[in-house]
Amino acid sequence: EPEVTQTPSHQVTQMGQEVILRCVPISNHLYFYWYRQILGQKVEFLVSFYNNEISEKSEIFDDQFSVERPDGSNFTLKIRSTKLEDSAMYFCASSRNLQGRNSPLHFGNGTRLTVT
Amino acid sequence: DQQVKQNSPSLSVQEGRISILNCDYTNSMFDYFLWYKKYPAEGPTFLISISSIKDKNEDGRFTVFLNKSAKHLSLHIVPSQPGDSAVYFCAASASNYQLIWGAGTKLIIKP
Repeated sequence: EPEVTQTPSHQVTQMGQEVILRCVPISNHLYFYWYRQILGQKVEFLVSFYNNEISEKSEIFDDQFSVERPDGSNFTLKIRSTKLEDSAMYFCASSRNLQGRNSPLHFGNGTRLTVT
Repeated sequence: DQQVKQNSPSLSVQEGRISILNCDYTNSMFDYFLWYKKYPAEGPTFLISISSIKDKNEDGRFTVFLNKSAKHLSLHIVPSQPGDSAVYFCAASASNYQLIWGAGTKLIIKP
């Protein structure tokens, strides 16, 4: 069964550094998402992406964050200047249609980001 | 602002018995509800969903019940199996489609 793959599985970075989290969504999916889960807390929506543009973003997704689909397969999340509070598990997801509407999200296994 | 609440952080159930996971929501605009299951070191996986036009949806051992007047839904797993031990997330969406997630309930199935 096709999977969403994320790399790296764990990223450690220093505060103020830029990080890029990478994802390869399922190939015939059209909608892409980033979520995060701070340890012990709920899963939080960051951004959705469709047709090469952001379709929706949460208040968490401020100017420090950006997403890109640089080629036909990768979907990346960039954090420009990391803060300690950015430490979390970041999940990429994709769906064939708009999320939740008869088109469940397929999640990757996540990238654990640790900002020191 | 907890629009979706899972008030039980954990639940322990004997193998073979019924597991009931509960979820409450506050936003009356939610019209689609989903349950996801998450194992450690893996991403969430979709389990079952229900639209607000229904009050029950069943898929094998999993049944989701929706009580719109009480703004409550529950996931029933019967019979519970050891492989069901995981964290279960309830999620809801309104017409704007952004999924709002609960904090999760850790289900432990005892042998």
